[in-house]
Amino acid sequence: SQKIEQNSEALNIQEGKTATLTCNYTNYSPAYLQWYRQDPGRGPVFLLLIRENEKEKRKERLKVTFDTTLKQSLFHITASQPADSATYLCAKKGSSNTGKLIFGQGTTLQVKP
Amino acid sequence: DAGITQSPRHKVTETGTPVTLRCHQTENHRYMYWYRQDPGHGLRLIHYSYGVKDTDKGEVSDGYSVSRSKTEDFLLTLESATSSQTSVYFCAISGTDSYNEQFFGPGTRLTVL
Repeated sequence: SQKIEQNSEALNIQEGKTATLTCNYTNYSPAYLQWYRQDPGRGPVFLLLIRENEKEKRKERLKVTFDTTLKQSLFHITASQPADSATYLCAKKGSSNTGKLIFGQGTTLQVKP
Repeated sequence: DAGITQSPRHKVTETGTPVTLRCHQTENHRYMYWYRQDPGHGLRLIHYSYGVKDTDKGEVSDGYSVSRSKTEDFLLTLESATSSQTSVYFCAISGTDSYNEQFFGPGTRLTVL
């Protein structure tokens, strides 16, 4: 079965440093991967999408990479701030064209001032 | 939350009682999804809809049914609630393009005693 794996351990970093979160998937490479942010008590919010033919995508302080050889996506937040503290979810496209996504468990990021 | 609401936001019920959760959208999006989120499991798809009266099962559909009689409403029913269905339930919507991101509602916290 298709799986998305994210480090379940929380990531603690100091303000100003770069946070790097990992997302690994099994089986075939998906057409795209998506990254979401989730704050406590709220629904996930879409951040970025990266297609399989894209190596890298950037949005402000965010950068996502997609390595189909390693079956891995990395999510970077540069110059991290305490406001970046949240849980970040990786999702891959499901097997059909119905917009279905398969989500990882998420990695919680804590940025300390 | 991108024109998507869920009701109720909180509910406590007893084992064996029927429960219906409602998702309402004002975006006229084609696809709608119901997820549950539990510690250690992340977001798991229960059911989804790809149009009015068109629904299909997700990975954890046992014990749940859905209905979509109008574009804007997607109902999730627990016919006879069990304690294992205690969870946070999220509704999500997405547009026609299968690359589209999903927009999530605020969630419903359901406790089954």
